[in-house]
Amino acid sequence: DGGITQSPKYLFRKEGQNVTLSCEQNLNHDAMYWYRQDPGQGLRLIYYSQIVNDFQKGDIAEGYSVSREKKESFPLTVTSAQKNPTAFYLCASSSLRTGKTDTQYFGPGTRLTVL
Amino acid sequence: AQSVAQPEDQVNVAEGNPLTVKCTYSVSGNPYLFWYVQYPNRGLQFLLKYITGDNLVKGSYGFEAEFNKSQTSFHLKKPSALVSDSALYFCAVRDPTLIFGQGTTLQVKP
Repeated sequence: DGGITQSPKYLFRKEGQNVTLSCEQNLNHDAMYWYRQDPGQGLRLIYYSQIVNDFQKGDIAEGYSVSREKKESFPLTVTSAQKNPTAFYLCASSSLRTGKTDTQYFGPGTRLTVL
Repeated sequence: AQSVAQPEDQVNVAEGNPLTVKCTYSVSGNPYLFWYVQYPNRGLQFLLKYITGDNLVKGSYGFEAEFNKSQTSFHLKKPSALVSDSALYFCAVRDPTLIFGQGTTLQVKP
């Protein structure tokens, strides 16, 4: 977990509200990622960014939005359009020195519960 | 499309016995394969990866993995299991982002 922080650790949201999850890294990594984890389904990619002010949709981007204004930060907003947002959200980062062989390192996660 | 499969939802072993957590892959071209471990309510920790070269890859905490191209497998192994190895293990392939298997829960009993 070292070098990547996520906050808050636990987050509760009422239906119809937008919430923003924070992810910060001090590893000087170029790329950052957001994953969603549901029981028995592994991790699924929501969004990723390889450079500041640019990002790409992953497999399940609907109902989510991101920004990458600084290299160190990649916040994720869970909007009211996301039908089933209760899940464990994981942020990761990697350098891009060697492309596909770079290792992704993960933060400690945020558990979001919709009340 | 690239994919990985972990055929076992759970693996049970006795402490001190060898353990194997299975992973098979389906990729076009050279596979870049990773193993991660997750403890309850924590993020994923990197264990090891296969890029090229030696088919036996050594990683953290005494784990190793064997890449077998003919069987398209990348099984995680440890010669002697510890109770503290009990956790959720994920195999992943890079394409170019990570594609994860469903995960295998390893339970090591004293």
